[in-house]
Amino acid sequence: DTGVSQNPRHKITKRGQNVTFRCDPISEHNRLYWYRQTLGQGPEFLTYFQNEAQLEKSRLLSDRFSAERPKGSFSTLEIQRTEQGDSAMYLCASSPNPGTDYGYTFGSGTRLTVV
Amino acid sequence: AQSVSQHNHHVILSEAASLELGCNYSYGGTVNLFWYVQYPGQHLQLLLKYFSGDPLVKGIKGFEAEFIKSKFSFNLRKPSVQWSDTAEYFCAVSTTSGTYKYIFGTGTRLKVLA
Repeated sequence: DTGVSQNPRHKITKRGQNVTFRCDPISEHNRLYWYRQTLGQGPEFLTYFQNEAQLEKSRLLSDRFSAERPKGSFSTLEIQRTEQGDSAMYLCASSPNPGTDYGYTFGSGTRLTVV
Repeated sequence: AQSVSQHNHHVILSEAASLELGCNYSYGGTVNLFWYVQYPGQHLQLLLKYFSGDPLVKGIKGFEAEFIKSKFSFNLRKPSVQWSDTAEYFCAVSTTSGTYKYIFGTGTRLKVLA
């Protein structure tokens, strides 16, 4: 499968714990995005990487959230001291060619439940 | 602030009925427009996109959408739906510069009855 891969698919954690999600984009895609989707809503932008550089972060991304893409390949999203409000589907997407917008390829997402 | 509105949250149709899902956006500049579909248990997939040129764009599986600039609209249509079109449909807008981040609508759940 050469699509966008996200792990784990599901994560249940206790409030206050830290969690980390991984995204493996399509290998030749320079752009990588993280979105969050809650029930009844469309995906909301969290952050964007072009290669290894994190070029934009949403105000939704509080200090407890951090994302990395160390070698311009896979990316990780970490949430520290999770809160119940962090429960959501976390989506990763990738896209080729910095100069144009061909649309994203999405992964299947990581569903986080904070209890 | 930019926003995307999808007017219909739930739509139920019988097979062979025609479909039109509304999408309006709020942004004064040049935009790229997209429709994504999420079938049950699957990831979001690109259905069609509009960048420029002919305002009537055709996508996969017989879907099409029309960009009406004066109405800030990008409605999705299909002449005859099938049971397999049961899914959630999201309209999205991106600006034409920088990060190409998307603003999504809240989605429309379509159920097609066999």
